[in-house]
Amino acid sequence: GEDVEQSLFLSVREGDSSVINCTYTDSSSTYLYWYKQEPGAGLQLLTYIFSNMDMKQDQRLTVLLNKKDKHLSLRIADTQTGDSAIYFCAESGTNFGNEKLTFGTGTRLTIIP
Amino acid sequence: KAGVTQTPRYLIKTRGQQVTLSCSPISGHRSVSWYQQTPGQGLQFLFEYFSETQRNKGNFPGRFSGRQFSNSRSEMNVSTLELGDSALYLCASSLVPAGGLGEQYFGPGTRLTVT
Repeated sequence: GEDVEQSLFLSVREGDSSVINCTYTDSSSTYLYWYKQEPGAGLQLLTYIFSNMDMKQDQRLTVLLNKKDKHLSLRIADTQTGDSAIYFCAESGTNFGNEKLTFGTGTRLTIIP
Repeated sequence: KAGVTQTPRYLIKTRGQQVTLSCSPISGHRSVSWYQQTPGQGLQFLFEYFSETQRNKGNFPGRFSGRQFSNSRSEMNVSTLELGDSALYLCASSLVPAGGLGEQYFGPGTRLTVT
């Protein structure tokens, strides 16, 4: 079955760049997503990338996809205290009847002042 | 545009009872998915409904069930509650079926505690 893995913790100094990594196993993954979850809240969709793309940039966020290695990363430039949260990567396929997201374990990002 | 709403936000039940959680999707969204989030298992997919039909189901026992109404609102039900059912239950809606082109938007969740 599908499996998505992330490291559990990341600490970054305020103003530095944060890079959160994710690996997945399903080669038929069509879309890969990054979600943010703040304490006591649901998940907020940050960005997503289609599997035929290598990179997507959206303001401070850059997503890199290495499809050969099944590796996805999220770079947050100029990390701020408001970026403290848990970040989940997720993958989905378009196989009929398999339209669901498989989430990673989440990476807790801590900002050091 | 109002987001996904879930009611109630918090719930305390005892073992053996049953519970019904409600989710109202974003206006115009026809797909509703349910997820269970626990510290030990992370986020796990429960099921997805699209146009009142269950399209996909995760690996949960039959005690977990759901339905979707003609206005796209969805309910999930858990019968014979167990301590391990304590979790945050998240609902997500999308215009088209989840995955593929379906960007999912999540509600704040219902925190269920089973004692």
